[in-house]
Parts: sequence; C-alpha cells; structure tokens
Amino acid sequence: EVQVVESGGGLVQPGGSLRLSCAASGFTFSSYAMTWVRQAPGKGLEWVAAVSGSGRNTYYADSVKGRFTISRDNSKNTLYLVMNSLRAVDTGEYYCAKNPIGAAGNGYSFMDVWGKGTTVTVSS
Amino acid sequence: QSVLTQPPSVSAAPGQNVTISCSGSSSNIGNTYVSWYQQLPRTAPKLLIYDNSKRPSGVPDRFSGSKSGTSATLGITGLQAGDEADYYCGAWDSSLSAWMFGGGTKLTVL
Repeated sequence: EVQVVESGGGLVQPGGSLRLSCAASGFTFSSYAMTWVRQAPGKGLEWVAAVSGSGRNTYYADSVKGRFTISRDNSKNTLYLVMNSLRAVDTGEYYCAKNPIGAAGNGYSFMDVWGKGTTVTVSS
Repeated sequence: QSVLTQPPSVSAAPGQNVTISCSGSSSNIGNTYVSWYQQLPRTAPKLLIYDNSKRPSGVPDRFSGSKSGTSATLGITGLQAGDEADYYCGAWDSSLSAWMFGGGTKLTVL
C-alpha cells in the first residue's frame, strides 16, 4: 500500500525551529517528487514547498522562502521540512504528499497520496 | 486572497446535482492542468480529479471535472450526505513558480 506518514510536529516558541519528517512506503520513493502542504486552524490549504525525486530541485511558497528548507533522503525513504524563525502564522496541520512524477514545479505537481498530517503550534 | 477563486459555499439537497467553479488566469489554469481535492471533516485531503477531468481509481463517476479557458468546474451528481466536505481546486502557476490552491468551497447537503 502506498503510504506517507508525517511526524515531528509539536509546540515551539516564536523564533524557534522544528524539523518535520515524512516516512514513505509502498512505492519507489526516489522516482517521485514530494510536497508539503499546510492548513491553519479553520482555514484553507496552503502549498508550502516541493522537491523533485532526485532532491536537486526545490520550490517554496513566498511565505516560507528563506525560513523553511525541504529535503529528502532517498536511502531512508524520508522527506524533511526544516522550519526556522517560526511565527504564530505558521501554526497549523502540516501534510506530506506524493506527486505523480519525479519532476517538481510543473503542471503535473498535483498530490495523489496524502498523509494524515502532523500538528505544529507556534506559541509562547 | 487566493490566486484561484472559488465560491465559499454551495448547498443542495440529496439526489440533486451541484457544480463548484474555480477561476484563475493565463498563468495557471489557462496553461496547465487543474486538480480537485476533497477534504471530509477532520480528515486529510484526498485527490478527487486530476488532469482537469480524470478520476483516480476508487473515485465514483458521480464526480467529474472540466476546464474551459481560465476556469475549471467540479461537478457532483446524485448528492449524498457523505459528500458534505470542503473542496479545493489546484494548479501550478508558471508566473509565481508555485502551486496554488483555491480558497476552498464548503459543500452542504441539506
């Protein structure tokens, strides 16, 4: 079964850092781009970042550029999101999602498999 | 303000049909594929439609998608209580080099 499972969420103070992980199984991880999507409480979906299957190409939403870093370890079938300089507006549910092809940043960058999410709360 | 514009809410009775619109521009919907996502209450989103009109395996044919110019539409026929959810459109924006989601539409089955 194709599956992605997020972990690493928690409570962090403003200005702090957090690393989210996403463990993938059931598919050849390195062949597919991966994406992080977040959802603030009671709000809509917001695309955060994407990385190609090789890890060479990355894309970020303007709201997180320079603060968040997406990466992957294909030997461990794991996707990461390192979040620095966290703000209250970064609070929300963070979803990991698989893309249907290896390349990111194009019209085929839709998300075909989603995880259940991990909760990030930025508060003092 | 989302780059892709959806109505905040739609409603209809069981058995009826409903459509949800998604309006964009030439830098997103106008030159690429649109996908749709269903988010049932308190659950993760799920892919409903991709490549404008294709359904993943397991999605009932009551759900359909179409695109014309810079707008896309999700159609649901024979509404059921279990269809009550938030629906989001999405597309890559070539000018912003970013994926865009619509603001979401809450479907209420009366």
